[in-house]
Amino acid sequence: DGGITQSPKYLFRKEGQNVTLSCEQNLNHDAMYWYRQDPGQGLRLIYYSQIVNDFQKGDIAEGYSVSREKKESFPLTVTSAQKNPTAFYLCASSIGLAGKGTQYFGPGTRLTVL
Amino acid sequence: RKEVEQDPGPFNVPEGATVAFNCTYSNSASQSFFWYRQDCRKEPKLLMSVYSSGNEDGRFTAQLNRASQYISLLIRDSKLSDSATYLCVVNIANAGGTSYGKLTFGQGTILTVHP
Repeated sequence: DGGITQSPKYLFRKEGQNVTLSCEQNLNHDAMYWYRQDPGQGLRLIYYSQIVNDFQKGDIAEGYSVSREKKESFPLTVTSAQKNPTAFYLCASSIGLAGKGTQYFGPGTRLTVL
Repeated sequence: RKEVEQDPGPFNVPEGATVAFNCTYSNSASQSFFWYRQDCRKEPKLLMSVYSSGNEDGRFTAQLNRASQYISLLIRDSKLSDSATYLCVVNIANAGGTSYGKLTFGQGTILTVHP
């Protein structure tokens, strides 16, 4: 089955710890994205990557880092510098520029900082 | 002003009702428009793209009014399974007028269809 997988589904972290969220896609999509969703709010873009070895900051990149070493993978690290990391994190991918191609989402990771 | 604004609702309607959602966007250079559906604690999924001429998919009709910068979604003959959050999504161009692949999401409109 083609699609996007995210792991883990639920993640608990102690304050001051870095944590890495996994995102893998086998859709052969060039572009990948990370969003954060807080209760009652829309999705906010953290980072995006249009091509391997290149990525751009989104609207709320502070406290996060990413890498894009392979086309299929776009992991997100939530660092201790992120002041309010508890949220629902969604990874997405698209064939090309989002305006010409639908974004497909993974099932998400719920991160809770204890 | 938010780039994409929706009435958060909630909208509570009986089965069989017709319900309409509106969404406004602030950037006149916006190029592409979509409605996504998000079930509780799940990921968003594309419901339909929105074209200038308007488009229909079964019980769902989407309209775009570029002059007034709003998008609408009409659901006819509502089903219980239509209960979800509906997200208005816009691909906003950069200052040069080209798309750079970023979608901007509204906060969503909650719909509950009851028996």
